[in-house]
Amino acid sequence: GAGVSQSPSNKVTEKGKDVELRCDPISGHTALYWYRQSLGQGLEFLIYFQGNSAPDKSGLPSDRFSAERTGGSVSTLTIQRTQQEDSAVYLCASSSPGLAGESSYNEQFFGPGTRLTVL
Amino acid sequence: AQSVTQLGSHVSVSEGALVLLRCNYSSSVPPYLFWYVQYPNQGLQLLLKYTTGATLVKGINGFEAEFKKSETSFHLTKPSAHMSDAAEYFCAVRRSGNTGKLIFGQGTTLQVKP
Repeated sequence: GAGVSQSPSNKVTEKGKDVELRCDPISGHTALYWYRQSLGQGLEFLIYFQGNSAPDKSGLPSDRFSAERTGGSVSTLTIQRTQQEDSAVYLCASSSPGLAGESSYNEQFFGPGTRLTVL
Repeated sequence: AQSVTQLGSHVSVSEGALVLLRCNYSSSVPPYLFWYVQYPNQGLQLLLKYTTGATLVKGINGFEAEFKKSETSFHLTKPSAHMSDAAEYFCAVRRSGNTGKLIFGQGTTLQVKP
C-alpha cells in the first residue's frame, strides 16, 4: 500500500465516549496533517506534525481534542467526551520533506478519511 | 489571516461545455495555491498547484488555473467537461514558508449533465 491509510473507515459512538482515530502516512513522509470535514464548517485544519518539531496545534477546536505521532510515523487523533458536533469526516494527509526538510512546496497526499458519527 | 472564497457551492454544466470554478483568496504574503478534487467517498486528490513562476498552471485531467495577483484569483477551468469530472472541488491556500497547513474554501460541487 503506497497511500495514506486511515482506520477505522467508519466509527459510530455515543455522546460522552472517547474515540481514537488512526493514520498511517506514506513511508518516508515527515509531515503529517489532520483535517476535519463537516457540513457546516467545510474543511478545517486541526494539527500538523513536521519531523521532530513541536506540532502546530492551532486548529484543534477544544481541549477534548489531542493528537500524537509516535516514532515519526503513525498518528492517533483522540477525541475525549465526544459531542454531536464532533460528527464529521476526519482526514489525514502526509507530505515528503523538501529542501532543508521543509514541506511547503510539496503535495499533501490525503487518506480516505474516517467518518465519525456521534449519537 | 488567510482565507479562500469559492463562488458558487454548486455548478452545473453540460457535457462538452466549458468548466469554470471560481476561487478568490486573501493573503498578506505571496501564497501557494492549490486545487483539489474529491470524488464520492474518497480522499482529496491534487489537481494542480501554483507556487512560483508561470502563472498559468496545468494539472491532471485537462484542468488548468491561472494565478492573477491583481485580482487575487485562482480560477479553475477545463475547456470541455466530461461526465467523470462530476465531483467536489476545493481551492486552498498555504502561506509560503514552513507552516504547512492548508486553508480551504467551502468547496464547489460540479454536476455534469449528459
